[in-house]
Amino acid sequence: EPEVTQTPSHQVTQMGQEVILRCVPISNHLYFYWYRQILGQKVEFLVSFYNNEISEKSEIFDDQFSVERPDGSNFTLKIRSTKLEDSAMYFCASSEAGRGGVSSYEQYFGPGTRLTVT
Amino acid sequence: ILNVEQSPQSLHVQEGDSTNFTCSFPSSNFYALHWYRWETAKSPEALFVMTLNGDEKKKGRISATLNTKEGYSYLYIKGSQPEDSATYLCAPGRGGADGLTFGKGTHLIIQP
Repeated sequence: EPEVTQTPSHQVTQMGQEVILRCVPISNHLYFYWYRQILGQKVEFLVSFYNNEISEKSEIFDDQFSVERPDGSNFTLKIRSTKLEDSAMYFCASSEAGRGGVSSYEQYFGPGTRLTVT
Repeated sequence: ILNVEQSPQSLHVQEGDSTNFTCSFPSSNFYALHWYRWETAKSPEALFVMTLNGDEKKKGRISATLNTKEGYSYLYIKGSQPEDSATYLCAPGRGGADGLTFGKGTHLIIQP
């Protein structure tokens, strides 16, 4: 069964460094998403991406964050200058979105990248 | 920002018993309600997505109902098994492809 994959599974970085988190969405999906979960808190939406541009973003997704689909398969989240409070589990998700009725809006999640900023 | 409440926060259930828990969300500006099951160290797994008032969906021993007028959904598990132990998340979406707003989840533990 097709699945969303993410690399690395765990990334440790120093405050102020740039990190790039990578995702390979399900191949025929059109919408791509990033979410994060800070330990003990809710899963929070960051950004959605469709047709090579940002479709929607939350207040969390400020100028420190950017997303890119550099080729036909990868979807990346870049944090330019990491802060301690960026430590979280980051999830990528994808959906068919509208191709096949309501069920096509299901978002399929990857296993996450645990980012630790020291 | 949608206010999504799930209750209870955690639940211990004997194996073989049935259980249910609740997701509450604002009934206005609503498009679809998603339920996920999330086991530790795994990806959140999509269970159901529902849009219509009165919708009921079923997957094996798990089912869900939706009331969009009053803004709640119930998730039911019949004859709980140890493999049902997980955190169950609900998330309303305002549009078909919009980002989801998650509740804190109900952490379910099935005791043998």
